[in-house]
Amino acid sequence: GAVVSQHPSRVICKSGTSVKIECRSLDFQATTMFWYRQFPKQSLMLMATSNEGSKATYEQGVEKDKFLINHASLTLSTLTVTSAHPEDSSFYICSARDQWRSEKLFFGSGTQLSVL
Amino acid sequence: RKEVEQDPGPFNVPEGATVAFNCTYSNSASQSFFWYRQDCRKEPKLLMSVYSSGNEDGRFTAQLNRASQYISLLIRDSKLSDSATYLCVVGGTEDDKIIFGKGTRLHILP
Repeated sequence: GAVVSQHPSRVICKSGTSVKIECRSLDFQATTMFWYRQFPKQSLMLMATSNEGSKATYEQGVEKDKFLINHASLTLSTLTVTSAHPEDSSFYICSARDQWRSEKLFFGSGTQLSVL
Repeated sequence: RKEVEQDPGPFNVPEGATVAFNCTYSNSASQSFFWYRQDCRKEPKLLMSVYSSGNEDGRFTAQLNRASQYISLLIRDSKLSDSATYLCVVGGTEDDKIIFGKGTRLHILP
């Protein structure tokens, strides 16, 4: 089956630093990738949708200048949390849609971000 | 009305029992429906797609009711390993969004 690689799996950083999370589709081309955030005991919340070669579409309430998304190729999307603060501590998951099997989503394994 | 709504549970069910979840969606233009399973702090994994005619995969049966705008998941002969959060996912609308429900927590009791 299709594989999405996400790393790092865990990041602990100081407040004010920036953190980059990578999401790669390993054996398929992902025209669309999604980034989610999940706080403890809460649901997945869509943060943004990125399409290869174009600007990401952010959900209401998500600061685009704080969460920078780059989807420069059909196999790689990155999320950069800039100037991270403790309230940004969360579980971040990416998912990718195979351009030929567009109904299915394939998820990365998630990144646990802890900002001290 | 929330876009995708699920009973959060938890459902505490004895092993071997049958359990059913419903999920309602607000956008009648939705075309794609899925059930995902998520274990604690892990990524969601696709359990099954939901088709208009209903579909079955082993102990799991999914059904779609477009008129009432809900989908259901039935788990028969539940196992301890079925304990997880089950996410209802709806998509395929004109804005191409995929919306997750908040999930229903299931605990299978020995």
